[in-house]
Amino acid sequence: KQEVTQIPAALSVPEGENLVLNCSFTDSAIYNLQWFRQDPGKGLTSLLLIQSSQREQTSGRLNASLDKSSGRSTLYIAASQPGDSATYLCAGTTIKAAGNKLTFGGGTRVLVKP
Amino acid sequence: DTAVSQTPKYLVTQMGNDKSIKCEQNLGHDTMYWYKQDSKKFLKIMFSYNNKELIINETVPNRFSPKSPDKAHLNLHINSLELGDSAVYFCASSQESTSGSGELFFGEGSRLTVL
Repeated sequence: KQEVTQIPAALSVPEGENLVLNCSFTDSAIYNLQWFRQDPGKGLTSLLLIQSSQREQTSGRLNASLDKSSGRSTLYIAASQPGDSATYLCAGTTIKAAGNKLTFGGGTRVLVKP
Repeated sequence: DTAVSQTPKYLVTQMGNDKSIKCEQNLGHDTMYWYKQDSKKFLKIMFSYNNKELIINETVPNRFSPKSPDKAHLNLHINSLELGDSAVYFCASSQESTSGSGELFFGEGSRLTVL
């Protein structure tokens, strides 16, 4: 059974600093790993999807890496801005099958102070 | 032109009532889901439908009955509501065929409060 953990649960940084968010998973047979952003009272916005054959994905200031052997994924946000304040969730699925059962971590709540 | 839309956004009701939440996606995806986010913000899958066929049923009480009239819609009906059903329910969709990436797209959520 896949378990996903995100530490720390909360993080506060000054504007301009780079953010490093960690995600660990127990089953290395991961098929997809997806990073989401959730603003208070809102739904989840997909940020990056890393498939099992990939090691990283980049979109603008965001870069996510996947290391299946160590069971870790890291989301980097360069030059953080107050608008990056949100909860970031990672989620993984272990098999390619109809249904794509994502297992979510508990999230890291990020505050970027101006 | 919202990709995954769900209604209502807020629902307040009494214990014992029956209520429904509707979800529609216009992304042409073949798979839809219901997830529940509890008060501690943990997200857990409840159901998954692929081309109108139930694929995942995650030990959810049978008071919860999903219905997929077509692959663009997945509704959730809840009977005899209990206090513990209070949560935010999220609908999501993805393309799971061989040509799809499996990336999930979520709706804005429906906050259910049972009094």
